[in-house]
Amino acid sequence: DAGVIQSPRHEVTEMGQEVTLRCKPISGHDYLFWYRQTMMRGLELLIYFNNNVPIDDSGMPEDRFSAKMPNASFSTLKIQPSEPRDSAVYFCASKKGAGDSYNEQFFGPGTRLTVL
Amino acid sequence: GQQLNQSPQSMFIQEGEDVSMNCTSSSIFNTWLWYKQDPGEGPVLLIALYKAGELTSNGRLTAQFGITRKDSFLNISASIPSDVGIYFCAISGNTPLVFGKGTRLSVIA
Repeated sequence: DAGVIQSPRHEVTEMGQEVTLRCKPISGHDYLFWYRQTMMRGLELLIYFNNNVPIDDSGMPEDRFSAKMPNASFSTLKIQPSEPRDSAVYFCASKKGAGDSYNEQFFGPGTRLTVL
Repeated sequence: GQQLNQSPQSMFIQEGEDVSMNCTSSSIFNTWLWYKQDPGEGPVLLIALYKAGELTSNGRLTAQFGITRKDSFLNISASIPSDVGIYFCAISGNTPLVFGKGTRLSVIA
């Protein structure tokens, strides 16, 4: 299995530009999570989907952030317009099922975003 | 939302030393997880704990689910250079995982 795939691995952009991060979860997983990691705030959950439906987006910092999951094998996280404080590593993770036996989330390698 | 207190924030140790880190929460949870993040990668699950008092080992790693169900610790014995990284505890209820801030481990050869 290829694991969770994220692209791009690195993104450098200028303030005000639109940024789109992409994720392909592990086949068969029905939960998908987007996280942001910074030194100051650690690993923060932004939004998660179950069966392609957004369940909780309370972690999305502002209206500039949006996420979609058009099908079971693809999700995007978009920032428009981007700001320097959005610079962070963004992780996508997926897991199968719910309940105590299905807690393991599999993380992608992350996208390191730098907004100048 | 629920917060985890993970300590220490960082550790610098000599190769061969044992390491101990812990997490506490203000509420009771049914599952404690420990993840490791290698530099430049995403976190990977090391150990999952599902029962109060449970002690589980994975090679040189040992983790325990506290009796009160509000804490957990992770021990690494005889550390080696590849143990470098960030170690996260996480808890799970019926909501997504909540992660601690992490313990950044540096191993000096």
